[in-house]
Amino acid sequence: RKEVEQDPGPFNVPEGATVAFNCTYSNSASQSFFWYRQDCRKEPKLLMSVYSSGNEDGRFTAQLNRASQYISLLIRDSKLSDSATYLCVVNEGNTDKLIFGTGTRLQVFP
Amino acid sequence: DAGITQSPRHKVTETGTPVTLRCHQTENHRYMYWYRQDPGHGLRLIHYSYGVKDTDKGEVSDGYSVSRSKTEDFLLTLESATSSQTSVYFCAISEGRVQPQHFGDGTRLSIL
Repeated sequence: RKEVEQDPGPFNVPEGATVAFNCTYSNSASQSFFWYRQDCRKEPKLLMSVYSSGNEDGRFTAQLNRASQYISLLIRDSKLSDSATYLCVVNEGNTDKLIFGTGTRLQVFP
Repeated sequence: DAGITQSPRHKVTETGTPVTLRCHQTENHRYMYWYRQDPGHGLRLIHYSYGVKDTDKGEVSDGYSVSRSKTEDFLLTLESATSSQTSVYFCAISEGRVQPQHFGDGTRLSIL
């Protein structure tokens, strides 16, 4: 089993739709969780950290489920500019290292 | 955007030649990282540094070496480049362990 797994997509959704991505992780000792977005041929950029109680940033909501070892990202009212690949990132157990998922591709159409 | 500069941005070279990529930061962050990104594999950690002259290996360190003689510079060297090292290389920085990392623009390296 991969340490961090994501559905590669693509998720094709119309503008205004709500879309959700899940990401599972294998190491129960992981403590730090993030979502990044990456545009085609660009560097990954931090979208948001994921906190135990869940957190929201505008149209974006992140949730953590430790019992089932997954994190989720919900995007409401999708915009064309949300089209990108979303990377799930988890720290490797008790180490300093972050493990990046291979990403979920989102395409928002008019 | 975080002050991270990678150089060169693009490079084409031949198998067997040495290659050095540079990452320069103006944020005074303690941690610096080198990743490579390939289709189907996502970002994979090559080496990282947790201070001047303090470095450690990542999951794909074979064939790569690093050096950090100053806080602001982290160099990645391919001693004898191979075609399997053709990739996009990203440098990242963070303030502390397991803190969010911020990435440079990347270096596209082609080994022919």
